[in-house]
Amino acid sequence: AQSVSQHNHHVILSEAASLELGCNYSYGGTVNLFWYVQYPGQHLQLLLKYFSGDPLVKGIKGFEAEFIKSKFSFNLRKPSVQWSDTAEYFCAVNPLRRSKIIFGSGTRLSIRP
Amino acid sequence: SAVISQKPSRDICQRGTSLTIQCQVDSQVTMMFWYRQQPGQSLTLIATANQGSEATYESGFVIDKFPISRPNLTFSTLTVSNMSPEDSSIYLCSVRTSGGNNEQFFGPGTRLTVL
Repeated sequence: AQSVSQHNHHVILSEAASLELGCNYSYGGTVNLFWYVQYPGQHLQLLLKYFSGDPLVKGIKGFEAEFIKSKFSFNLRKPSVQWSDTAEYFCAVNPLRRSKIIFGSGTRLSIRP
Repeated sequence: SAVISQKPSRDICQRGTSLTIQCQVDSQVTMMFWYRQQPGQSLTLIATANQGSEATYESGFVIDKFPISRPNLTFSTLTVSNMSPEDSSIYLCSVRTSGGNNEQFFGPGTRLTVL
């Protein structure tokens, strides 16, 4: 079955630390990839997306993600986190020719001020 | 982009009753979805709401329990029927814009507590 795995359930970092959140998916065909963020008490928002082209994509608020096809991975990175990055982060995959998006279990990021 | 509103934003219901959640979008969209987000868990797709035809349900979800209406391209309802405490969750409406963007937007959610 198609699935999306986020290995870290809860990550705690200090401000200015570097961040990498892992995401792996199981689907052999072409996919669109997304990272969504949910700040406390707010809607889910799109952080960044990959459809094709350069596998290193840049999103809002200094986030970036790298698509490594051979590893079926789409890890999220930020070189220096801020307290305002405290949120839940969801990786999502949309297999092409399918309408639905499959979400990972989410990673809760807590930043110590 | 698409702006989505949901009503009610939250509700507390008794076991055995039903609740209908409304989803309104500020533009016409072809694809609308209903998700459930249980406490501490990820989003699970319940169904795709198709305009002018029956909704398409995911494995584990059935029409009798979660009837969906989609009368036009800007509105949909999800009913949670014969509720039990296990139905306590956040229910999210989502839409996908057409064209090259293929971006998916989410509503604020309806937080349902079943006693």
